[in-house]
Amino acid sequence: GAVVSQHPSWVICKSGTSVKIECRSLDFQATTMFWYRQFPKQSLMLMATSNEGSKATYEQGVEKDKFLINHASLTLSTLTVTSAHPEDSSFYICSARGGVDSLETQYFGPGTRLLVL
Amino acid sequence: KNEVEQSPQNLTAQEGEFITINCSYSVGISALHWLQQHPGGGIVSLFMLSSGKKKHGRLIATINIQEKHSSLHITASHPRDSAVYICAEETSGSRLTFGEGTQLTVNP
Repeated sequence: GAVVSQHPSWVICKSGTSVKIECRSLDFQATTMFWYRQFPKQSLMLMATSNEGSKATYEQGVEKDKFLINHASLTLSTLTVTSAHPEDSSFYICSARGGVDSLETQYFGPGTRLLVL
Repeated sequence: KNEVEQSPQNLTAQEGEFITINCSYSVGISALHWLQQHPGGGIVSLFMLSSGKKKHGRLIATINIQEKHSSLHITASHPRDSAVYICAEETSGSRLTFGEGTQLTVNP
C-alpha cells in the first residue's frame, strides 16, 4: 500500500527555537496533505489542510504564523513550529490524500513527537 | 461536544472473541473512516466507507447512513489486535473529525 514518511520521528528542543517536520508521500503523488496534532489521551485534531502550490487552510484556533506549512511539491509538505513553547509539545501527524488506486483514501505518516523544554 | 462519538471507550476481550466497536456521527458525511493506532502512535487506515459493508480479513465495517451509525467488527480476536480504534467522519474538503477512540485489549 501507499507509504507516507515523517522526519524526524521525535525531537527535543529548547523553548524559543523553531522545529521543522517533513511529510513525504513515498510512492504516490499527494493532491492534498493534512497536518494533525494529538495531545496525550486525546483524539487527533486537524490543524491545517495543504494543497501543492497554494497556501494552507488553517483550522480555527490554529495560528498560521506559528505553524508554517509549505507544500512545495506533490510529495512533500513541511510543518515548521516557530518559537516553540512547552505547550506545543505534542504528537504531530501528517496524512496524504491520493494513492495508487482511485479511492483517494488518506494515508497517515508515523508521526513526530515534539518535546519543548 | 465531539460530533463523533464512539463506544465503548475501553474494551477488554479474551482471544478468539467477537468484538464490536460503535460510532455515531451527527452530520452528513462524504465518508466514514476507521483507523487503528498502535501504542507507538502510528496510524493505519483500516476502512473508508460511505455505504453498506466492507470486509478485510477478520475486520468488517458497516455503516447505516440513515441512522448515522457505523460499526467495526473483529472476528476471532487476537492479542495483536490490541490498539486504539478510531472512527472519523469525512466532510467537505476531505476534512476529518475524529472520535476519541476505543482502547481495545485482547488477552491471550
